[in-house]
Amino acid sequence: EIVLTQSPATLSLSPGERATLSCRASQSVSGNLGWYQQKPGQAPRLLIYDASIRATGIPDRFSGSGSGTDFTLTITSLEPEDFAVYYCQQRFIWVTFGQGTRLEIK
Amino acid sequence: QVQLQESGPGLVKPSETLSLTCTVSGGSISTYYWSWIRQPPGKGLEWIGYIFYSGSSNYNPSLRSRATISVDTSKNQFSLKLRSVTAADTAVYYCARDANRSGSNWFDPWGQGTLVSVSS
Repeated sequence: EIVLTQSPATLSLSPGERATLSCRASQSVSGNLGWYQQKPGQAPRLLIYDASIRATGIPDRFSGSGSGTDFTLTITSLEPEDFAVYYCQQRFIWVTFGQGTRLEIK
Repeated sequence: QVQLQESGPGLVKPSETLSLTCTVSGGSISTYYWSWIRQPPGKGLEWIGYIFYSGSSNYNPSLRSRATISVDTSKNQFSLKLRSVTAADTAVYYCARDANRSGSNWFDPWGQGTLVSVSS
C-alpha cells in the first residue's frame, strides 16, 4: 500500500497569506496525485488532479505541483472560505488518501 | 448537474451486514465509474471500491473479502454491502462519481455522506 504523509498536520495562517501544504508518498506515484478540500459537515471536493490540473470551477489561487514522491498544494492569498481540511490522494496503485492538513485561521 | 444521495440504516449490529444505496439524479448511471468511500469519525478517507454500469467492479484489497458493490441501472442506483462489521467499520460512508468517463479514480462529485454506527 502506498502511504501518503501530509505536513504539517495543522497550519495556522491569516486571510491574505500564502499557504503551502505538502504530501509525500512512500514510493513514486509519478503524477498520479490529487487534492481535495473538506469543510466541516461536508463531503470532500476535488481541487487538483494529475498533480497540477485544476478541477472544473476551482479558482486559480489554488495550484498543485510535484511528481514522484513529493507534492505541494499552494493557495495564494487565502480567502475566508479556504480554511478547511485538505487531503491528498494517489491513484497510482489502488487508491489511498493522506491523513489531512487542517488549515485554520490564525 | 448530477447529484448523489446515500441511504440506509444508521445503526448496524456487530457481525451483521451493512447495506447502503446511492441514488443518482440529474444524469444516467450508465456512464462513469461509481465508488464508495468512508471516513471514520475524526479520521481520514478510505476508498472501498468502484463499479461500472456493466457490473465490473474493483475493491480495496483490505476490504475485498467483506465488500460487495452492485448496480441497478433501472433505478439509477448502486449499492454497498459490507459483511461481518465491527466497531472499526463505524464511519461516514460517501458515494462518489468518477470525475472522468474513462475511469480516472479521481472523485467528483460526492454525496453528502451518511453516518453508520456499528453497535449492539
